[in-house]
Amino acid sequence: DAGITQSPRHKVTETGTPVTLRCHQTENHRYMYWYRQDPGHGLRLIHYSYGVKDTDKGEVSDGYSVSRSKTEDFLLTLESATSSQTSVYFCAISLGLAGETQYFGPGTRLLVL
Amino acid sequence: KQEVTQIPAALSVPEGENLVLNCSFTDSAIYNLQWFRQDPGKGLTSLLLIQSSQREQTSGRLNASLDKSSGRSTLYIAASQPGDSATYLCAVLSGGSYIPTFGRGTSLIVHP
Repeated sequence: DAGITQSPRHKVTETGTPVTLRCHQTENHRYMYWYRQDPGHGLRLIHYSYGVKDTDKGEVSDGYSVSRSKTEDFLLTLESATSSQTSVYFCAISLGLAGETQYFGPGTRLLVL
Repeated sequence: KQEVTQIPAALSVPEGENLVLNCSFTDSAIYNLQWFRQDPGKGLTSLLLIQSSQREQTSGRLNASLDKSSGRSTLYIAASQPGDSATYLCAVLSGGSYIPTFGRGTSLIVHP
């Protein structure tokens, strides 16, 4: 398995609070991604990174920000959590942006009350 | 906008059957297509990646084919086993985009 960890694995928070999810990789892959998975929508890309300090928006980026200060860490922040952000969040990595296999982390279950 | 559909949404088969999972996409200008497996409460595991120039890929009992002109990919599982029970997802990366489009998956149960 690719060396990808996510923390926390489970979190319950209240509406309006900030939340930060962390993705850590030991594979030295250049590209990192944050997805959310919801029933009825499947997996949707939130943000991705193509290098340290280089990030771009995905399909559902509103309400989320990301940062990547080191190759191995990609942080996803919900500035002010809302109930619509209750979801399972997955981090993924790949060697290349296109044409390369994506490897996924175990996921973080977030419940916003 | 690329749309990816997986049919059937759920499938239950007895052990030993050969089975086919389908993935269709609306825009044939794709870069690649990837098949994943997801076990309950787990992340996705990549099974096969097919580049747009390829027709098929094989790994063990799995064979994935790609027909861009018809907008279809199939995942063939030979001699299914209870351990194959999982949700299978396909993801399409369209030409000119770095945002993959995922199907909603086929939930497979293989019973002994």
